[in-house]
Amino acid sequence: NAGVTQTPKFQVLKTGQSMTLQCAQDMNHEYMSWYRQDPGMGLRLIHYSVGAGITDQGEVPNGYNVSRSTTEDFPLRLLSAAPSQTSVYFCASSSPEPRQGRRTEAFFGQGTRLTVV
Amino acid sequence: ILNVEQSPQSLHVQEGDSTNFTCSFPSSNFYALHWYRWETAKSPEALFVMTLNGDEKKKGRISATLNTKEGYSYLYIKGSQPEDSATYLCAFEGAQKLVFGQGTRLTINP
Repeated sequence: NAGVTQTPKFQVLKTGQSMTLQCAQDMNHEYMSWYRQDPGMGLRLIHYSVGAGITDQGEVPNGYNVSRSTTEDFPLRLLSAAPSQTSVYFCASSSPEPRQGRRTEAFFGQGTRLTVV
Repeated sequence: ILNVEQSPQSLHVQEGDSTNFTCSFPSSNFYALHWYRWETAKSPEALFVMTLNGDEKKKGRISATLNTKEGYSYLYIKGSQPEDSATYLCAFEGAQKLVFGQGTRLTINP
């Protein structure tokens, strides 16, 4: 059972470099989200998607892009890395329950620890 | 910006004692309130998803209540054990988004 898979687990970038954090899920979940975790701030929502071809901004979207071309994959792109983007990034997926108008519990990847120097 | 607040931010409890903490959230556009347990170096794992006002959920020694009219939920741990040490996150689900509070970090002292 793979669940939600994030790669890489660790990454060091120089300021100004770009990179893509990968997230894939094999549970056929429609909803996928990216969060960042910073000390004392819990998980903050960066971007989310409710299905292939649909994405929207969360609380802290600046400096990040996403796309959702397939149900399985939801990559997060850092266009020009800044030290303020040093954080641990989590991808999560869940599925809607149409009868109840809500989603099931979210399943998380193992996280990507990113350092920007 | 949705405001999901948890209190306290951290808590130290003696083994065997019971404890509880709070999550407050907007009372409008409410779909569900989630609770997650997050151990160090691991990923958050779901404890409960609650939808109805007055809901009570229980899993072993952990239980939760929900008041959607006033916008708060309590998480209770009875007879704390060292393995309960973790950060407990609540998340407000509204309009297709899941927004988390900052968490309550619980440490159980043996």
